[in-house]
Amino acid sequence: AQKITQTQPGMFVQEKEAVTLDCTYDTSDQSYGLFWYKQPSSGEMIFLIYQGSYDEQNATEGRYSLNFQKARKSANLVISASQLGDSAMYFCAMKDGRWAGGTSYGKLTFGQGTILTVHP
Amino acid sequence: ETGVTQTPRHLVMGMTNKKSLKCEQHLGHNAMYWYKQSAKKPLELMFVYNFKEQTENNSVPSRFSPECPNSSHLFLHLHTLQPEDSALYLCASSELSGGDTDTQYFGPGTRLTVL
Repeated sequence: AQKITQTQPGMFVQEKEAVTLDCTYDTSDQSYGLFWYKQPSSGEMIFLIYQGSYDEQNATEGRYSLNFQKARKSANLVISASQLGDSAMYFCAMKDGRWAGGTSYGKLTFGQGTILTVHP
Repeated sequence: ETGVTQTPRHLVMGMTNKKSLKCEQHLGHNAMYWYKQSAKKPLELMFVYNFKEQTENNSVPSRFSPECPNSSHLFLHLHTLQPEDSALYLCASSELSGGDTDTQYFGPGTRLTVL
């Protein structure tokens, strides 16, 4: 069974500094995808970044980067130059390679989330 | 409208009411999902529709009834709910490319309160 663990219920960071949000996963699949989402207090889940299990380089998207360590089964999110608008709940999620009718639809398993607070 | 929209954004209903949640995606995707997010619990997948066909029902009680008339619209019909069904209900969509990505894009959610 898929499992995602986020061990940090809450994190605090000073504005303009970098912060790392931890995520470890457990799967027996060889092919999988890892995602990070941001959920502000408004409720919408905003896609941030994706890492495939076969990708050799760490994914980056603007101020977001994913520190992927396959052997340790970790996929930490690094946010550089934190902004006040980064304050939100952050979820790590994993997609397994489930197939239905010859097409992958990718069931996502989510972690418990980490609340990030950025101080001015 | 762009992305994934959900209506209503907030809903309060009694246990004997019947209501429906609506989701519409404007991304040209062909898979749609319903998730439930309760306080202090991870997101739980409820239903998956793949090209309008239901491909997953994650042991959801029958008081929740999904409907997917086409690849752009998804409904969740609610009847005789319980107070523990109060939660944020999120809709998502993705493009089934057959690859490893299939990123799911979410709507803003409907915050449901059952009295």
